[in-house]
Amino acid sequence: DGGITQSPKYLFRKEGQNVTLSCEQNLNHDAMYWYRQDPGQGLRLIYYSQIVNDFQKGDIAEGYSVSREKKESFPLTVTSAQKNPTAFYLCASRGPMDEQYFGPGTRLTVT
Amino acid sequence: AQSVAQPEDQVNVAEGNPLTVKCTYSVSGNPYLFWYVQYPNRGLQFLLKYITGDNLVKGSYGFEAEFNKSQTSFHLKKPSALVSDSALYFCAVRDMNSGGYQKVTFGIGTKLQVIP
Repeated sequence: DGGITQSPKYLFRKEGQNVTLSCEQNLNHDAMYWYRQDPGQGLRLIYYSQIVNDFQKGDIAEGYSVSREKKESFPLTVTSAQKNPTAFYLCASRGPMDEQYFGPGTRLTVT
Repeated sequence: AQSVAQPEDQVNVAEGNPLTVKCTYSVSGNPYLFWYVQYPNRGLQFLLKYITGDNLVKGSYGFEAEFNKSQTSFHLKKPSALVSDSALYFCAVRDMNSGGYQKVTFGIGTKLQVIP
């Protein structure tokens, strides 16, 4: 899983609670991404950041928020406004040859 | 707009036989093409990419992929499958001329099952 760490691996929350997923990289990459993976739907882009203090919405940003205060860190907050938050969440960074390096993922279950 | 299609949900192959996982793409400009592999409950791992040059690209773990511009395809291949190759494989594309934000579009994945 390269130099990307995500924590925790499993996360359980009650409906109506906000939850923050951690993503840290030591690869010195500028660009970072958050994806959501659901069975049969591949990876869908939630948010991306091309540089510190900048981020943009992806295809399914509603109910999510991010920050990019440091190059190494790109945390994702799943808010209570997200209708179907239970999913596998993947963080990635982009390397110099355009390949993406993925973290091990966080499986979020909301009940 | 760009898109990727992986027409097979699952591919079954006997150990030792050659394997092919299919991918077709659509972009308005020239493509950057990628293959990634995902083992259960893990993140994706980069296998190989095509940017320009030789149409046959070699990657990790003995995998290779063939770029075919006329058929807009980028099929993943391996001459002899191993049981340990069993995993979920994703094809991805980026439009080389997209500029600005360089969005990568992923396919929905193909599950490869290698049978001992």
